[in-house]
Amino acid sequence: GAVVSQHPSRVICKSGTSVKIECRSLDFQATTMFWYRQFPKQSLMLMATSNEGSKATYEQGVEKDKFLINHASLTLSTLTVTSAHPEDSSFYICSVSSLISNNEQFFGPGTRLTVL
Amino acid sequence: EDQVTQSPEALRLQEGESSSLNCSYTVSGLRGLFWYRQDPGKGPEFLFTLYSAGEEKEKERLKATLTKKESFLHITAPKPEDSATYLCAVRFQGAQKLVFGQGTRLTINP
Repeated sequence: GAVVSQHPSRVICKSGTSVKIECRSLDFQATTMFWYRQFPKQSLMLMATSNEGSKATYEQGVEKDKFLINHASLTLSTLTVTSAHPEDSSFYICSVSSLISNNEQFFGPGTRLTVL
Repeated sequence: EDQVTQSPEALRLQEGESSSLNCSYTVSGLRGLFWYRQDPGKGPEFLFTLYSAGEEKEKERLKATLTKKESFLHITAPKPEDSATYLCAVRFQGAQKLVFGQGTRLTINP
């Protein structure tokens, strides 16, 4: 499977500030990247799907102006949480896939965001 | 509506006690059923993909099977290090995204 990294692994920020999370595919050309969030003891909730070079497709109820996604290359996608609030505190996980991998998704280690 | 349901929600076993986890789905046009393992504070780790009814895959103490309505993850003679949350996800026809079940929290006591 693909090796996926996320940076940072943990971040604490003040309410009202913006936070950027990076997702890198280290050994795999990811034509599609996904962003999920996960609350404690709950399953993964898809936020958006992004295809390289295209605008992200957001799931219903996810504010695209608040969660900015950029998928500029086949190995890098970023999620920016703008004007973060305490309710945005969560575990954010990215995944990568490609037609070459038969669209199997491989996940990053996750980023724990805490908004004070 | 496409749905994925996992049972049980939590399962405690003694080391060596075999059991099965269930994932049932109602999707139109299955294009893959995926099993992942997730440890606390980490991202999901890919285990298996199944594409058609009757298919089976094995990895160490784990074996995944698939029918037209459900999948089972059989765990044989588990060890404490098998303790984790096991997630099932389905990709349906025409979609790139996965629909996840709520997971089964498995605890293996030594």
